[in-house]
Amino acid sequence: DGGITQSPKYLFRKEGQNVTLSCEQNLNHDAMYWYRQDPGQGLRLIYYSQIVNDFQKGDIAEGYSVSREKKESFPLTVTSAQKNPTAFYLCASSMGAGGPQGEQFFGPGTRLTVL
Amino acid sequence: GQNIDQPTEMTATEGAIVQINCTYQTSGFNGLFWYQQHAGEAPTFLSYNVLDGLEEKGRFSSFLSRSKGYSYLLLKELQMKDSASYLCAVKGGDSNYQLIWGAGTKLIIKP
Repeated sequence: DGGITQSPKYLFRKEGQNVTLSCEQNLNHDAMYWYRQDPGQGLRLIYYSQIVNDFQKGDIAEGYSVSREKKESFPLTVTSAQKNPTAFYLCASSMGAGGPQGEQFFGPGTRLTVL
Repeated sequence: GQNIDQPTEMTATEGAIVQINCTYQTSGFNGLFWYQQHAGEAPTFLSYNVLDGLEEKGRFSSFLSRSKGYSYLLLKELQMKDSASYLCAVKGGDSNYQLIWGAGTKLIIKP
């Protein structure tokens, strides 16, 4: 079955620790995205990647880092510099950007809690 | 600036019809998406509009008016499983890869 996997579903970390969230897709999509979702707010884009070995900052990239070494994988690291990291993190992918190809498919999400 | 407005919460009765509105103000426009999101789960795609008019897909329909910066999602024959948040997203930023998201409308279905 094709899809996007994120692990783990729930993650707890102590303040000051870096943590990496995984995202893998087998849809053969070129583009991948990381979003953060907080209660009462729309999805906010952290980083996106149009192609392997290339990525761009979204609206709230500060305190986060990514890599795109393989087409299938787009891990997100939440660093200690992120002031309020507790949130629901969603990874998505799309075939392209134009028209219906811009439809984004989402993984199940990782709920990160920093204690 | 970029802005998308949706009602925060709506309530409807099982078997009825409900219309969820979305208004947007963006620097550009290359399409509008509707997604459904059940609590604690991932958003799933419902519809895509890029031209004015109504797109029908089973019990769900979506309408777009580009001149008014307005869209709505119409849900017919409501079922309890339709209780979810409905997210409106516009492709209208500097990059064609970026979607601008509304905060979502929480729809509560009562028996």
